[in-house]
Amino acid sequence: GQQLNQSPQSMFIQEGEDVSMNCTSSSIFNTWLWYKQDPGEGPVLLIALYKAGELTSNGRLTAQFGITRKDSFLNISASIPSDVGIYFCAGQGDNFNKFYFGSGTKLNVKP
Amino acid sequence: NAGVTQTPKFQVLKTGQSMTLQCAQDMNHEYMSWYRQDPGMGLRLIHYSVGAGITDQGEVPNGYNVSRSTTEDFPLRLLSAAPSQTSVYFCASRSGQGGNQPQHFGDGTRLSIL
Repeated sequence: GQQLNQSPQSMFIQEGEDVSMNCTSSSIFNTWLWYKQDPGEGPVLLIALYKAGELTSNGRLTAQFGITRKDSFLNISASIPSDVGIYFCAGQGDNFNKFYFGSGTKLNVKP
Repeated sequence: NAGVTQTPKFQVLKTGQSMTLQCAQDMNHEYMSWYRQDPGMGLRLIHYSVGAGITDQGEVPNGYNVSRSTTEDFPLRLLSAAPSQTSVYFCASRSGQGGNQPQHFGDGTRLSIL
């Protein structure tokens, strides 16, 4: 299957700080997605990206679809305690029926 | 506003037992899928379905069977459970219109095989 490398694996930050995480793929993707997972729950979609170079925001979250179509990043500005969780990137290639997930970035926010 | 509903939430099995994990969605979504999530790894696709009567394999299909007799339901069967199948299982669905529609996930089934 396709490999997605997500980094960093975990982050410990102070409330109010900005956060950046990224995802790289060994092959080209047509769609990049970013999800957040809280303990005991399923992933919830944060941002969807459909075009190379696209920059999309959702409140304090901003994500970009890399121009090479092999990477994407997610930024969180002015972090708050409820941002704690695991963030996953996911990509979709030519086969629209298959999504591939990164291994996640675990975010910890100290009040 | 149920969305994607998975049952049971927790299950413990003995090696060799069979089990069906249930998944139902009330959004009239054509596409449904099953993933497993293991510690330190992302979700991996087991099987998916693009509509009633149509199923196909994902990345890690061995040891699992699926069927799709209705639009709403997509059960996952373990015919002979093995310890390597201890995992958290997530069901997801999305609209079939537009191949790049994002998926909606259930809350998962935590399965332990002893």
